[in-house]
Amino acid sequence: DGGITQSPKYLFRKEGQNVTLSCEQNLNHDAMYWYRQDPGQGLRLIYYSQIVNDFQKGDIAEGYSVSREKKESFPLTVTSAQKNPTAFYLCASSRLRQTSNQPQHFGDGTRLSIL
Amino acid sequence: GQQLNQSPQSMFIQEGEDVSMNCTSSSIFNTWLWYKQDPGEGPVLLIALYKAGELTSNGRLTAQFGITRKDSFLNISASIPSDVGIYFCAGPQGGSEKLVFGKGTKLTVNP
Repeated sequence: DGGITQSPKYLFRKEGQNVTLSCEQNLNHDAMYWYRQDPGQGLRLIYYSQIVNDFQKGDIAEGYSVSREKKESFPLTVTSAQKNPTAFYLCASSRLRQTSNQPQHFGDGTRLSIL
Repeated sequence: GQQLNQSPQSMFIQEGEDVSMNCTSSSIFNTWLWYKQDPGEGPVLLIALYKAGELTSNGRLTAQFGITRKDSFLNISASIPSDVGIYFCAGPQGGSEKLVFGKGTKLTVNP
């Protein structure tokens, strides 16, 4: 089945530690996105990528980093510089709007907590 | 930047009742998307609207793209317990690939 796979489902971070969240898609989508969701809030964009080896900051990129070495993969690293990392992280992908009006599709999320 | 205002923030209804929620913006949108998120899961696309005035149904769900392009409505008829969740509206930000999301309407259905 085609879809977006996020792993792990739950992740715990110690103080001063970097952690990496995985996102893989087999939909052949060009664009991938990372969002952060806090209770009672909408989704806030962290980073997005429209093409391999290129990515742009979203609205809350500080304390996060990404890479896009392969079309199907877009890992997110939560660095020790992110002082309030506890949240639900969602990955999404889509075709580019210039080629298709297809909307973003989401993975099932990773819940990150501080130990 | 563009913002989407969703209302109401939360709703508590009895099973069988109809539900209506809306999303408004001060800016024009060319696409409106409605997603549903179950607890601990990612949002799932319910309905996509691409034309002003468009009315689209998906089972018991009906959504409309407002004529002014600044609002959209989602209606759920004859609600059932599995309708519980958070409903988000979203639209593309300017001409970019980015989406802007509303803060969601949390729906609780009492059996």
